[in-house]
Amino acid sequence: GAVVSQHPSRVICKSGTSVKIECRSLDFQATTMFWYRQFPKQSLMLMATSNEGSKATYEQGVEKDKFLINHASLTLSTLTVTSAHPEDSSFYICSARYNSGNTIYFGEGSWLTVV
Amino acid sequence: AQKVTQAQTEISVVEKEDVTLDCVYETRDTTYYLFWYKQPPSGELVFLIRRNSFDEQNEISGRYSWNFQKSTSSFNFTITASQVVDSAVYFCALSEEEYGGATNKLIFGTGTLLAVQP
Repeated sequence: GAVVSQHPSRVICKSGTSVKIECRSLDFQATTMFWYRQFPKQSLMLMATSNEGSKATYEQGVEKDKFLINHASLTLSTLTVTSAHPEDSSFYICSARYNSGNTIYFGEGSWLTVV
Repeated sequence: AQKVTQAQTEISVVEKEDVTLDCVYETRDTTYYLFWYKQPPSGELVFLIRRNSFDEQNEISGRYSWNFQKSTSSFNFTITASQVVDSAVYFCALSEEEYGGATNKLIFGTGTLLAVQP
């Protein structure tokens, strides 16, 4: 079946550096992917909608210059957390729309720790 | 505005008990989709069910069953004869339909932590 893969699953970076998280649809093309963030013991909050070949659509309150999203191909979207700070430490999870939008598949998620 | 409410923050049951997780939603759209996901401690989201707003039939899948009632805007999830492996956080989510039938972003509830004791 359809699978969405994220990499890395866990990453620790120093404050002030940037870190990139990849989201890949392994056996289908995804024109639209979604990035969510989840703080410990909280719900998932949509950060942005990633559209292949065009700019991402960010949710209110999400800094587009800090969370850079690139969807350069039909199977890959990347989220780059720039100038990371400890408060950016969170679980980031992506999802991809499959089969003309009738099904949404989630990646395994990526744990980011900024020290 | 869309909203999903999961009033039960935590539920603890003993193995083999039945348990129902509540989900109440708000939307102005007539076409929408409702989901349930399971999130074990490892973090990944496990898809359980997707239901569109025009299908009010209850569904059963093994020990899982779902009760969708548009009249009360509820989409409750019942686990029969719970097992320790059912311990996880369960999220209910809502999506409104985009033009062309595509599923849009998901609005998640706050989740219910289910602990099944042996």
